[in-house]
Amino acid sequence: DAGITQSPRHKVTETGTPVTLRCHQTENHRYMYWYRQDPGHGLRLIHYSYGVKDTDKGEVSDGYSVSRSKTEDFLLTLESATSSQTSVYFCAIRAGGETQYFGPGTRLLVL
Amino acid sequence: QQQVKQSPQSLIVQKGGISIINCAYENTAFDYFPWYQQFPGKGPALLIAIRPDVSEKKEGRFTISFNKSAKQFSLHIMDSQPGDSATYFCAASMDSGGSNYKLTFGKGTLLTVNP
Repeated sequence: DAGITQSPRHKVTETGTPVTLRCHQTENHRYMYWYRQDPGHGLRLIHYSYGVKDTDKGEVSDGYSVSRSKTEDFLLTLESATSSQTSVYFCAIRAGGETQYFGPGTRLLVL
Repeated sequence: QQQVKQSPQSLIVQKGGISIINCAYENTAFDYFPWYQQFPGKGPALLIAIRPDVSEKKEGRFTISFNKSAKQFSLHIMDSQPGDSATYFCAASMDSGGSNYKLTFGKGTLLTVNP
């Protein structure tokens, strides 16, 4: 699992509430990524980070923000969750060359 | 704009048969093409990857075939086993122009291998 943990693993929340997902890595990799996975869409990049405090938008960034205050943690925040953000969220790290390794995922349900 | 198109969406193969999944890409700047395998409830795991300087790469029962002129690449699973039943994703990225190694994924293929 390349030393990646995600928390929480499951969450149910209500529309309009803020939600923060955490990705933690133990190997000091510079690059970290957040994806969402939805049926029929594969994996789509939300945001990524190329260093502490260095982040940028991905393909589907609307409604999401990220922060990276230290190398090991990359946080994904839904400021005001909507039902369209019900999804499975995966964190990934780049570890050598162009290979990305994925965490176990967080299953989020927004009611 | 879908930059990586994957087919078929689903595939059923008998045990011992050959599974073939195809991907096509549009951006000629892509220079890294990985395949990921995902079991239910798990994160995607890197299976095998290829760069455009070779036409084929084999690792055990898994082979990637790459056709640069056609902008296509495919995954072949020989002697398919029920344990290979999973969702497979192709992807592409480029290591140039500040791309930050972002991966673009196909939409996935659900493979079922019947015993």
